[in-house]
Amino acid sequence: KNEVEQSPQNLTAQEGEFITINCSYSVGISALHWLQQHPGGGIVSLFMLSSGKKKHGRLIATINIQEKHSSLHITASHPRDSAVYICAVTGGATNKLIFGTGTLLAVQP
Amino acid sequence: SQTIHQWPATLVQPVGSPLSLECTVEGTSNPNLYWYRQAAGRGLQLLFYSVGIGQISSEVPQNLSASRPQDRQFILSSKKLLLSDSGFYLCAWSRGVGEQYFGPGTRLTVT
Repeated sequence: KNEVEQSPQNLTAQEGEFITINCSYSVGISALHWLQQHPGGGIVSLFMLSSGKKKHGRLIATINIQEKHSSLHITASHPRDSAVYICAVTGGATNKLIFGTGTLLAVQP
Repeated sequence: SQTIHQWPATLVQPVGSPLSLECTVEGTSNPNLYWYRQAAGRGLQLLFYSVGIGQISSEVPQNLSASRPQDRQFILSSKKLLLSDSGFYLCAWSRGVGEQYFGPGTRLTVT
């Protein structure tokens, strides 16, 4: 069993829909990261959080430390949101990332 | 502002040939540096990380090695490439245990 599990693996949505991607982890962490990987391969860090909730534009990330669960929400989705969304966790002084397998999101116009 | 560079962007190499991928960071000092690999159809995997010059930790036994000859330079090498070394290689940096910032990546195809 992977230490970081994401669901769903694939998600297709219509433009404007509200999207939720879930992440569960089984290890102790110091922080959880949400990353976005574009079709060309480049990776952008969206959020780093250790408690509560963060919002940036149409993106919202929440984490429940007790339940070892995080969600990434996209409001008013747009085709440009199409990408792979990756959950990753860090723990310890070295800041090593442990990655989930990613969620492939396709937003259709 | 900080910038991370990787080169080359793409590389096609025959089996058994050597490899050198370079990563440099600008605009910060004493960063933590990381090499990740994404094999085709698989998730990202940490290969090496470094918290300082000459300090390299390996996560996965493999055909690759890493070096950090300068504070903001991180090099990934191999003496003899294998087909299984093909993949997308990403360098990243962070300030201590903070957020990680990724380079543009190198797509390596071993033929």
